[in-house]
Amino acid sequence: GAVVSQHPSWVICKSGTSVKIECRSLDFQATTMFWYRQFPKQSLMLMATSNEGSKATYEQGVEKDKFLINHASLTLSTLTVTSAHPEDSSFYICSARVTSGSGSEQFFGPGTRLTVL
Amino acid sequence: AQSVTQLDSQVPVFEEAPVELRCNYSSSVSVYLFWYVQYPNQGLQLLLKYLSGSTLVKGINGFEAEFNKSQTSFHLRKPSVHISDTAEYFCAVIKGGGSYIPTFGRGTSLIVHP
Repeated sequence: GAVVSQHPSWVICKSGTSVKIECRSLDFQATTMFWYRQFPKQSLMLMATSNEGSKATYEQGVEKDKFLINHASLTLSTLTVTSAHPEDSSFYICSARVTSGSGSEQFFGPGTRLTVL
Repeated sequence: AQSVTQLDSQVPVFEEAPVELRCNYSSSVSVYLFWYVQYPNQGLQLLLKYLSGSTLVKGINGFEAEFNKSQTSFHLRKPSVHISDTAEYFCAVIKGGGSYIPTFGRGTSLIVHP
């Protein structure tokens, strides 16, 4: 199946700094990627849909200026958490959508654990 | 709006026992159904999916699920679990003809005891 990678897998930063997380589709091109946030013992919450070459579509309640998304190429989307605070600590997961004749499926990255001190 | 209900937040079982993790969805249109497994501090790994065709779907690690349209269910089963199956399991639904964005259930924590 398709492989999606994320970098870094773990990051610890100080409050007020910005952190960039990369999501790459390794063996396929992805015009659409998704960014999720997951709190402990909870399900995935969709933050935004990242479209190559255009602006991301954010879900209700997600701050666009806080979580900057850039999908500059067909294999890379980045999520930048700006001026991070401890409440931004979470597990961030990206996915890439693959659509074929039989339907659509998402392939998930391994996730990035962000801890803001 | 579609929703996905995983009725059990936690399912404890003994090793080598059978297990069923329940998933119900609400949608009046055709759907694509998925089960994912998440091990601690890792992303989601696809276990199996139903897109069309046979309603009994076999996946990796000995898991299978059956799509029941009349009951709007997609329960996950394994006849004999291992300690290594201890993980979080998520059911997800994509509505056909829509935006192809999945709706996830809240997850079921499978805990396998020796």
